[in-house]
Amino acid sequence: DAMVIQNPRYQVTQFGKPVTLSCSQTLNHNVMYWYQQKSSQAPKLLFHYYDKDFNNEADTPDNFQSRRPNTSFCFLDIRSPGLGDAAMYLCATSRGFAGGGSYEQYFGPGTRLTVT
Amino acid sequence: AQSVTQLDSQVPVFEEAPVELRCNYSSSVSVYLFWYVQYPNQGLQLLLKYLSGSTLVKGINGFEAEFNKSQTSFHLRKPSVHISDTAEYFCAVSRAFGNEKLTFGTGTRLTIIP
Repeated sequence: DAMVIQNPRYQVTQFGKPVTLSCSQTLNHNVMYWYQQKSSQAPKLLFHYYDKDFNNEADTPDNFQSRRPNTSFCFLDIRSPGLGDAAMYLCATSRGFAGGGSYEQYFGPGTRLTVT
Repeated sequence: AQSVTQLDSQVPVFEEAPVELRCNYSSSVSVYLFWYVQYPNQGLQLLLKYLSGSTLVKGINGFEAEFNKSQTSFHLRKPSVHISDTAEYFCAVSRAFGNEKLTFGTGTRLTIIP
């Protein structure tokens, strides 16, 4: 089945130690998104790629960066995690304009990040 | 810009009773509307969407929603809920034809009481 895959599902890192979360998709979608979701809150968009074009949200801290080496993969790098970065990180994809413009998003299962 | 309001943060409902989760949006342009469900420690799953056409849309798991342009609402309904419907429900909006970003509401936690 076509899907969005996130690894690992659970990640523990130390305060200040860089960490990378990964996302892959078999849907061949143009757009890939990274969201941060804290407990009992709505997902907060950090950034997204439309093909190779990177789009950063204005309030995303510089501590968060992303790479998309090809259509299928996208990475979230947290350079120096703080305790406040503990959250669920969700990856999503959409077809973009090629999908008729509805931009329906397909989500992965998420990676729960713990910072100790 | 678009915004979404989900007034009910928590909704408890007895099993087999009907439920309505409320969603209101604000936008100066045409929009697409979505309802997503999130089970504990899972990603979001699309329940249903309104793009155009019939204002009553049916989704998975027996859910339906009605788009009301005059009231700028997109309420989610189910005639008879089950224990398995216990989850967080998010309403989301995007600008029609040209914006790849979704704006989410703050979510409604639906708890089914046996």
